[in-house]
Amino acid sequence: AQSVTQLGSHVSVSEGALVLLRCNYSSSVPPYLFWYVQYPNQGLQLLLKYTTGATLVKGINGFEAEFKKSETSFHLTKPSAHMSDAAEYFCAVTLSGNTPLVFGKGTRLSVIA
Amino acid sequence: DSGVTQTPKHLITATGQRVTLRCSPRSGDLSVYWYQQSLDQGLQFLIQYYNGEERAKGNILERFSAQQFPDLHSELNLSSLELGDSALYFCASSVDLPFGGADTQYFGPGTRLTVL
Repeated sequence: AQSVTQLGSHVSVSEGALVLLRCNYSSSVPPYLFWYVQYPNQGLQLLLKYTTGATLVKGINGFEAEFKKSETSFHLTKPSAHMSDAAEYFCAVTLSGNTPLVFGKGTRLSVIA
Repeated sequence: DSGVTQTPKHLITATGQRVTLRCSPRSGDLSVYWYQQSLDQGLQFLIQYYNGEERAKGNILERFSAQQFPDLHSELNLSSLELGDSALYFCASSVDLPFGGADTQYFGPGTRLTVL
């Protein structure tokens, strides 16, 4: 069975600083990987996803993530944090496009002015 | 706006009661998923329907049931409610590509259930 570990339940960065949210997965077969963002009192919005091909994936709002099979990681980064990036971020994995997502516990990102 | 709608937005009820949560998927999406989000369990998959048929089951209690109707909307029924059922319930939909691939699941805004 697949699983996802997000290191750090809460990450705090200064505005303009690098954002790095960590995600490691466990899967017996090549997975599909996703990052979702949840703003307060809202649903989940897809930031980006990895399927096959290029391992560096670019998403919305300046975020990107790199799939590293050897490290079983899919860390999310953004070069310069903005106040509007403050939210909860979830990494998720699935083995195919039509199966349920397995989510990590989430990382709450705070951005300090 | 993801195109997935859920009603009601908030629901407050008492222990032992029964409630129904409704989800309308994005136009053209055949798969509907239900997830529960709680502070202690995080985001957990409950059940998936595809074109009216149950496709996958997760950590769904026997007191919970769901169905997907011919117009593809779905309902999640929660009965004999307990305090621990208080959570945010999300519905997600996807188009379900025929030969695998990585469908994106689009999430609705959720229904916040409070059991008193």
